[in-house]
Amino acid sequence: GQQVMQIPQYQHVQEGEDFTTYCNSSTTLSNIQWYKQRPGGHPVFLIQLVKSGEVKKQKRLTFQFGEAKKNSSLHITATQTTDVGTYFCAGPGDNAGNMLTFGGGTRLMVKP
Amino acid sequence: ETGVTQTPRHLVMGMTNKKSLKCEQHLGHNAMYWYKQSAKKPLELMFVYNFKEQTENNSVPSRFSPECPNSSHLFLHLHTLQPEDSALYLCASSQDFRQGWETQYFGPGTRLLVL
Repeated sequence: GQQVMQIPQYQHVQEGEDFTTYCNSSTTLSNIQWYKQRPGGHPVFLIQLVKSGEVKKQKRLTFQFGEAKKNSSLHITATQTTDVGTYFCAGPGDNAGNMLTFGGGTRLMVKP
Repeated sequence: ETGVTQTPRHLVMGMTNKKSLKCEQHLGHNAMYWYKQSAKKPLELMFVYNFKEQTENNSVPSRFSPECPNSSHLFLHLHTLQPEDSALYLCASSQDFRQGWETQYFGPGTRLLVL
């Protein structure tokens, strides 16, 4: 079935450095969502992208949906220790009912 | 964030025990979900209920038994579990089921350890 793949699986950065995580799908997605899970916490919805080539910003976070709607990225500028956590992308799967399917996540660690 | 609550937060059980996990959502949503999160498979969908009707059983072993008495409550009954079932069990809800369009709101999870 359709899988949403994320890379990298882990990323260590120095505080102040930028960070990017990528999400790729084998099929065209109607929409893509991003979630953040802090250590010891639960996933929290960040944003949803719908249009081809769409770019949305939330302070230092920039989310992009590819032109072909098969990939997406999350870029964080000048990381802070508060950015630590696992970032998941999610899109409709090609299973029965098109259940929301989560990528494996990218775990971000920030060194102060 | 108290929109979705889960109890207990931590649970240790033996393989012969029977226990239940409870989830309650206060958001007026109509769809509820159970996920299993472990190191091997980060977010694994187990069950989906939409308007109290089960719409998905993602090949989950019968030792896990869901129950959705109303749109606000969801239970996961556990019996004769295996050590590999140890994981974080997350409940989520959404306004309704929209075939991958819905935004999901997660509870804090129950950390389960099976001895």
